[in-house]
Amino acid sequence: DADVTQTPRNRITKTGKRIMLECSQTKGHDRMYWYRQDPGLGLRLIYYSFDVKDINKGEISDGYSVSRQAQAKFSLSLESAIPNQTALYFCATSDGQDYSGANVLTFGAGSRLTVL
Amino acid sequence: GESVGLHLPTLSVQEGDNSIINCAYSNSASDYFIWYKQESGKGPQFIIDIRSNMDKRQGQRVTVLLNKTVKHLSLQIAATQPGDSAVYFCAENMEYGGSQGNLIFGKGTKLSVKP
Repeated sequence: DADVTQTPRNRITKTGKRIMLECSQTKGHDRMYWYRQDPGLGLRLIYYSFDVKDINKGEISDGYSVSRQAQAKFSLSLESAIPNQTALYFCATSDGQDYSGANVLTFGAGSRLTVL
Repeated sequence: GESVGLHLPTLSVQEGDNSIINCAYSNSASDYFIWYKQESGKGPQFIIDIRSNMDKRQGQRVTVLLNKTVKHLSLQIAATQPGDSAVYFCAENMEYGGSQGNLIFGKGTKLSVKP
């Protein structure tokens, strides 16, 4: 089984619909992240959480919300999906920065969302 | 604003040749850099990292070079193989206490290996 599991892997929906992408991890990491990937734009941070009671906005949080239900679960919601939210979404985990400042992320396989 | 970018969006090499993928960064305060590999249909995977107090680090068939003077990072892949075909991202780790260690990713370079 994958360390970081995302569901669904693919989803097609219509404008205005509410969508939830789920992420679960078996790494035991405290930190979890949601990124969005668009062609030619790399990975952009939407939200991140350092523990169950901690939620932080990233670079592009508008139009999204998250819920950290447990240490192992972090879901991303689009309350009212719009076409420019069509993208590939990645969940990632880490155990934070080590003594050297390193913060290595482990990514899920991605959830491809298409909003018509 | 601060950004991490790549000089070339695509790179095509012959199997067996060496590959060099470049990355420019703009935040002189960044103290840690990572290269990720993303194969088609998969999430990014960690390849190699380097701290700002180093200028070179070697792994298996990969070497990362850091030039802090010109804020440039490169990934060298020796004897490139078809399995190396992927998109490669560099990322910088902001200084501790700044952005809480969150990574800033470059836009990626697609490496294609010709048989």
